[in-house]
Amino acid sequence: EAQVTQNPRYLITVTGKKLTVTCSQNMNHEYMSWYRQDPGLGLRQIYYSMNVEVTDKGDVPEGYKVSRKEKRNFPLILESPSPNQTSLYFCASSPNFLGGPTDTQYFGPGTRLTVL
Amino acid sequence: GDSVTQMEGPVTLSEEAFLTINCTYTATGYPSLFWYVQYPGEGLQLLLKATKADDKGSNKGFEATYRKETTSFHLEKGSVQVSDSAVYFCALSPFGNQFYFGTGTSLTVIP
Repeated sequence: EAQVTQNPRYLITVTGKKLTVTCSQNMNHEYMSWYRQDPGLGLRQIYYSMNVEVTDKGDVPEGYKVSRKEKRNFPLILESPSPNQTSLYFCASSPNFLGGPTDTQYFGPGTRLTVL
Repeated sequence: GDSVTQMEGPVTLSEEAFLTINCTYTATGYPSLFWYVQYPGEGLQLLLKATKADDKGSNKGFEATYRKETTSFHLEKGSVQVSDSAVYFCALSPFGNQFYFGTGTSLTVIP
């Protein structure tokens, strides 16, 4: 089944304790992206990647890191989480090509993160 | 900068009522426009899209027309069902790499 998977689905942690949220897609998509969803703010893009080893900042990259060493995986790293990073996080992928028509994004099920 | 403004919710309608959710955008050039839907506890799914002016996207009875002159992409459905209850997001992408989403509009359809 074609899908985007995220792990963990739920995470409660404490301020300053490094964590990684994994994202994997099995559709051979070029493009992957991370978003956070907050009440009243909608979805905001954190980072995106057009292809392996190519990553770029979205609207709200502060406090986050990403890497794209393989096409299928795009982990989100919080080196020193803070309470304002408590949010619902979504990973998405798309066959999108830069300069081509913007294609559909396929979203993972979400990771609910609470930082105490 | 690029942005999307969509109608505040929540919206509550009776089954078979007509639905409109307004969406306007600010962008340079000719962005692609999208409507995504989020059912409770799930990720977003693409509902419809339009990639150039005057295009009409449609799916599952929903429609939206890309209006360059009014910078709008309003979502409409002629007769809503209980199963349409969800949160709807308008979004744009100027070049296919960065995406900008609206704040979402919650729709509840009552029998």
